[in-house]
Amino acid sequence: SQTIHQWPATLVQPVGSPLSLECTVEGTSNPNLYWYRQAAGRGLQLLFYSVGIGQISSEVPQNLSASRPQDRQFILSSKKLLLSDSGFYLCAWTQLGAGGVDTQYFGPGTRLTVL
Amino acid sequence: SQQGEEDPQALSIQEGENATMNCSYKTSINNLQWYRQNSGRGLVHLILIRSNEREKHSGRLRVTLDTSKKSSSLLITASRAADTASYFCATDARGSNYKLTFGKGTLLTVNP
Repeated sequence: SQTIHQWPATLVQPVGSPLSLECTVEGTSNPNLYWYRQAAGRGLQLLFYSVGIGQISSEVPQNLSASRPQDRQFILSSKKLLLSDSGFYLCAWTQLGAGGVDTQYFGPGTRLTVL
Repeated sequence: SQQGEEDPQALSIQEGENATMNCSYKTSINNLQWYRQNSGRGLVHLILIRSNEREKHSGRLRVTLDTSKKSSSLLITASRAADTASYFCATDARGSNYKLTFGKGTLLTVNP
């Protein structure tokens, strides 16, 4: 069966520090991978998605970046964090079905607090 | 950009009652999905309904889709305290093969 992992679970970082969040998927190959951010009490904002190794699409211009160095690994990074980067970061995977985007499976999330 | 919008934003009911949440969207879709999120956790997929389907059931869940009105509803019957969570609809727009667009969610509170 497929599983998705995210780490760390929680992170407290000072403004201006770098960031690296990791997401890995097991039990599937060539998945579509996604990074979302959820502000407190809000819906999900799609940040990046990837349909293959090295292929990254950015949805929202900001000081974050994403990389996909391996088929089942997705990394979210920042060189210098801002206060506004605080939030709950969720990684998800799916496989494109004949009827469009099929079920997305979410990781447990990383709660980032920038002070 | 297209977005699912849930209604109401918050709903509080007593255990045993039914809960109905609605979702509206703006453009043609391939499918619509409902997800649940417990506080501080990841999202869990509940049900997917395709654009050529009108109704789907899964246990105590019933989802309807009206593509002419661009709306969907999620009904939870005989609610339990454990159903307390946020519920999101997500749409897969035709032409955007890789992305789901999520609404802001309905916070459901089921009081024991």
